[in-house]
Amino acid sequence: AQTVTQSQPEMSVQEAETVTLSCTYDTSESDYYLFWYKQPPSRQMILVIRQEAYKQQNATENRFSVNFQKAAKSFSLKISDSQLGDAAMYFCAYRSLGGTSYGKLTFGQGTILTVHP
Amino acid sequence: DGGITQSPKYLFRKEGQNVTLSCEQNLNHDAMYWYRQDPGQGLRLIYYSQIVNDFQKGDIAEGYSVSREKKESFPLTVTSAQKNPTAFYLCASRRSKMETQYFGPGTRLLVL
Repeated sequence: AQTVTQSQPEMSVQEAETVTLSCTYDTSESDYYLFWYKQPPSRQMILVIRQEAYKQQNATENRFSVNFQKAAKSFSLKISDSQLGDAAMYFCAYRSLGGTSYGKLTFGQGTILTVHP
Repeated sequence: DGGITQSPKYLFRKEGQNVTLSCEQNLNHDAMYWYRQDPGQGLRLIYYSQIVNDFQKGDIAEGYSVSREKKESFPLTVTSAQKNPTAFYLCASRRSKMETQYFGPGTRLLVL
């Protein structure tokens, strides 16, 4: 079974600065997807970014980018030019592409990000 | 307006009572999921359905039941057998195997 670990329960950053959230995962599969979801105080889960394991290029979405290290099984999220609206709980998630996986997402425990003005 | 809707936003359950959480999507998505989130934790899968009239247990299905009579709807019933139902419940859906899951706004269930 796959596991996802987020070792930073809480992180903080000054507005306009850059912060990196860490995620590691354990799997024996070679093909899978990785995701970062954001959960603001409203508790709505919002997709931030997605990475396909077969792609060597790191995914980027505006101020959000990832550092995907497949061999190390590491998937960190970098938020540049942090904004007050970035404050939220961030979850790293793994999705197997195997036949019996049924698209299930395996989540880490989450990292609470605080943005200071 | 396309999306996933969940109702109610808050739900209160009395001891020994079954309650049903609604999840509806108008995205024409095939697969639908129910997750449970406990305070300070990630989400855990309760049930999922890939097609109408078919559903499978997830990691924590005990005390829950579901139905999938229509493609758009995937209601979750929290039965009296679920001894610790207080949690935040999230419904999700996706169009196909290669697609991303999108989530509804969630239902907060509290026990009186």
